[in-house]
Amino acid sequence: AQSVAQPEDQVNVAEGNPLTVKCTYSVSGNPYLFWYVQYPNRGLQFLLKYITGDNLVKGSYGFEAEFNKSQTSFHLKKPSALVSDSALYFCAVRGGSNYQLIWGAGTKLIIKP
Amino acid sequence: KAGVTQTPRYLIKTRGQQVTLSCSPISGHRSVSWYQQTPGQGLQFLFEYFSETQRNKGNFPGRFSGRQFSNSRSEMNVSTLELGDSALYLCASSLALRTSYNEQFFGPGTRLTVL
Repeated sequence: AQSVAQPEDQVNVAEGNPLTVKCTYSVSGNPYLFWYVQYPNRGLQFLLKYITGDNLVKGSYGFEAEFNKSQTSFHLKKPSALVSDSALYFCAVRGGSNYQLIWGAGTKLIIKP
Repeated sequence: KAGVTQTPRYLIKTRGQQVTLSCSPISGHRSVSWYQQTPGQGLQFLFEYFSETQRNKGNFPGRFSGRQFSNSRSEMNVSTLELGDSALYLCASSLALRTSYNEQFFGPGTRLTVL
């Protein structure tokens, strides 16, 4: 069965420090991987995606993610966190025979000044 | 280009009533998905439509139904509302279904409160 795991419910980072939000997945075939962000009282916004090619994907707002096939991971990273990055982050994967998009449970990112 | 729009934005209903939520996708997008978001359960997939046909369905009871029109607009209906149906209902559109690498674009959601 396809699945996505975001092992941390919450991640706390000091402003200016690097941040990592973790995501691991299990899917048959080649995965299509996505990160979305949800600011309070808003819908989700697309950040970045991995389809094929370079394992390091760059996205919006200075975020990037690294696809690691052997570890089946797609961790979201940013070199220097901003207070405005505080939000809920979702990882999602599409794959398998029916191409259904499977979502992680979300990770709340808190950036402290 | 206008984004995904959802109406109404807020809705208050009582148990046993039914409700219809509407979603207009981005112009040119043919795939529409619906999600339920609650603090305890996170983001739960309801259904995915493409070309007026339901292509995928999540694990929700039959009280939850949806449809897509020829102009790609979509509606979802919840009958016999229960307190547990209180949630933010999100609609998302994307260009196509089988090109699975297309990202989804989300609307602001409809906040449903069941009393």
